[in-house]
Amino acid sequence: DAGVTQSPTHLIKTRGQHVTLRCSPISGHKSVSWYQQVLGQGPQFIFQYYEKEERGRGNFPDRFSARQFPNYSSELNVNALLLGDSALYLCASSLANGWDISQETQYFGPGTRLLVL
Amino acid sequence: RKEVEQDPGPFNVPEGATVAFNCTYSNSASQSFFWYRQDCRKEPKLLMSVYSSGNEDGRFTAQLNRASQYISLLIRDSKLSDSATYLCVVNRDDKIIFGKGTRLHILP
Repeated sequence: DAGVTQSPTHLIKTRGQHVTLRCSPISGHKSVSWYQQVLGQGPQFIFQYYEKEERGRGNFPDRFSARQFPNYSSELNVNALLLGDSALYLCASSLANGWDISQETQYFGPGTRLLVL
Repeated sequence: RKEVEQDPGPFNVPEGATVAFNCTYSNSASQSFFWYRQDCRKEPKLLMSVYSSGNEDGRFTAQLNRASQYISLLIRDSKLSDSATYLCVVNRDDKIIFGKGTRLHILP
């Protein structure tokens, strides 16, 4: 079975532009989460979506938005890019049924490396 | 204060030694706990879930102390292939919070 896939793998943008990152979860997984990871830090939680509804949100500005589609794939959008948005953006999927810890394991994709110039 | 804090590292440890990682969390409402491993320029992967009763998987043992809000990971008989960054993860109110990670170098 295919794991979590993300596109594109790399992206270069300039300040002020917007970007859309895409993620396809593991087949059967209904939850997708997005993370930002800068060098030397752990992943920072941005959003979690479950069954197309936002289930959790981290401390990111409104420039960051996301959505989940009926097939459970997801997009992360970032508007008005800043230099500080340069990072690895990770997507993770899980079964996340909310009552079984074993269902909460996050399976990560390889990430999209975004560079803002 | 960060919600999840880990030993700053890096840890440089000879092969065969025992290594212990510590992690503290500040919110007592935290619900579930995990250790992930991240190799250089790779995505994180689950190492272990952490249960209140403690759990063991081969050379790896994880412990949770809810009263002290403390999680630990013990690696026995360390191997060169254990070199990686170890991330402590806490789930709370549908937020998934990663620690900064502790880098481990196993020395031959």
